[in-house]
Amino acid sequence: QVQLRESGPVLVQASETLSLTCTVSGFSLTNFGVIWVRQPPGKGLEWMGIIWRNGNTDYNSALKSRLSINRDTSKSQVFLKMNSLQTDDTAIYYCTRDLGDYWGQGVMVTVSS
Amino acid sequence: DVVLTQTPPTLSATIGQSVSISCRSSQSLLDSDGDTYLNWLLQRPGQSPQLLIYSVSNLESGVPNRFSGSGSETDFTLKISGVEAEDLGLYYCMQATHAPFTFGSGTKLEIK
Repeated sequence: QVQLRESGPVLVQASETLSLTCTVSGFSLTNFGVIWVRQPPGKGLEWMGIIWRNGNTDYNSALKSRLSINRDTSKSQVFLKMNSLQTDDTAIYYCTRDLGDYWGQGVMVTVSS
Repeated sequence: DVVLTQTPPTLSATIGQSVSISCRSSQSLLDSDGDTYLNWLLQRPGQSPQLLIYSVSNLESGVPNRFSGSGSETDFTLKISGVEAEDLGLYYCMQATHAPFTFGSGTKLEIK
């Protein structure tokens, strides 16, 4: 059964770094990529970036300078790190398989000033 | 980056009514492999998004066949033939042809 689960801190201070983990099961990270998507409260979906099955990455142009996505295939985990957080980074952060067919439940991250 | 323009932003429908949502791309979504990676997703209130349609017109497993997708190149449409109460929520188109991928701004479907 395919599952994705996001984990990480729910409250982060402004100017600090956000670290989130997406733990997957039911598929291999060497066969599928994983995408990070976020959604500020009351707003639409924003595509953040992808780590492809070969380990390459692509990022949202607006976030590229402060975002990195990595993985540990042996642990079936994908990691998101984003620095220099601001209050408008407050959002639900989701990970999803690259086909968009399976999504995690999301984690609500609040950036406090 | 590819810009997806979704219209209308809000849609109000009665049960049984058929509705359509448009998604227009700033550039062709036809990939060099011959496929067109335009997907439609539904986000019900308080839930994660779910995939409805992939590659323009392919119905995701388990999705009712009242949902259908059509289009090509830069113009795409999601149609719901006979809206049901469970269809309320936010609909998004998403392109996965050109990295970085992008979402449309969303269409909120309300039930009258």
